[in-house]
Amino acid sequence: DAGITQSPRHKVTETGTPVTLRCHQTENHRYMYWYRQDPGHGLRLIHYSYGVKDTDKGEVSDGYSVSRSKTEDFLLTLESATSSQTSVYFCAIKGTGTGNTGELFFGEGSRLTVL
Amino acid sequence: GDSVTQMEGPVTLSEEAFLTINCTYTATGYPSLFWYVQYPGEGLQLLLKATKADDKGSNKGFEATYRKETTSFHLEKGSVQVSDSAVYFCALIINTGNQFYFGTGTSLTVIP
Repeated sequence: DAGITQSPRHKVTETGTPVTLRCHQTENHRYMYWYRQDPGHGLRLIHYSYGVKDTDKGEVSDGYSVSRSKTEDFLLTLESATSSQTSVYFCAIKGTGTGNTGELFFGEGSRLTVL
Repeated sequence: GDSVTQMEGPVTLSEEAFLTINCTYTATGYPSLFWYVQYPGEGLQLLLKATKADDKGSNKGFEATYRKETTSFHLEKGSVQVSDSAVYFCALIINTGNQFYFGTGTSLTVIP
């Protein structure tokens, strides 16, 4: 158990409303990631963080912002949700393997539906 | 760029059949390779990994060998069980990078 908690686990919202998903970890890992999972696309990286206030974009970052004000929390915000952002969102942390071989540990996912 | 290509699914097998799920990769540097499994309604879990050429990762009867010459990391199991029904993802990370790259996933259903 990598100590990752995502909240909320399920959310239904309307187009144009802001949404924030939270990822919380208890093991002080440096790297945290947000992915979205959609049929036919597998997992696609939205943003990731390599430390407090240090973040970078992934391949599908448009329409999303992130913040990491403390090591344990990584927030994903949809400023104005659209139906194309209906998806399952996964948070992940990178374990501390030798060199860069640490694998990812995933949260249980947050299912977001935008009507 | 860096990418992973895995075989399309879905795959349906009878219990005790042999399983192969193909995975090939393109890497700009030296990668570590992973197989993840996702059971319904859950997040992904690491199944096995290999960090250098010719390494064999294994877990729960599954195996995959890191083949640099063919840029492949095919997943195999000699005798599948109903409980192996899940979606399997191949992934890589370049040893000097921070991003993981995932294949699109292969859905496996094992029927009794």
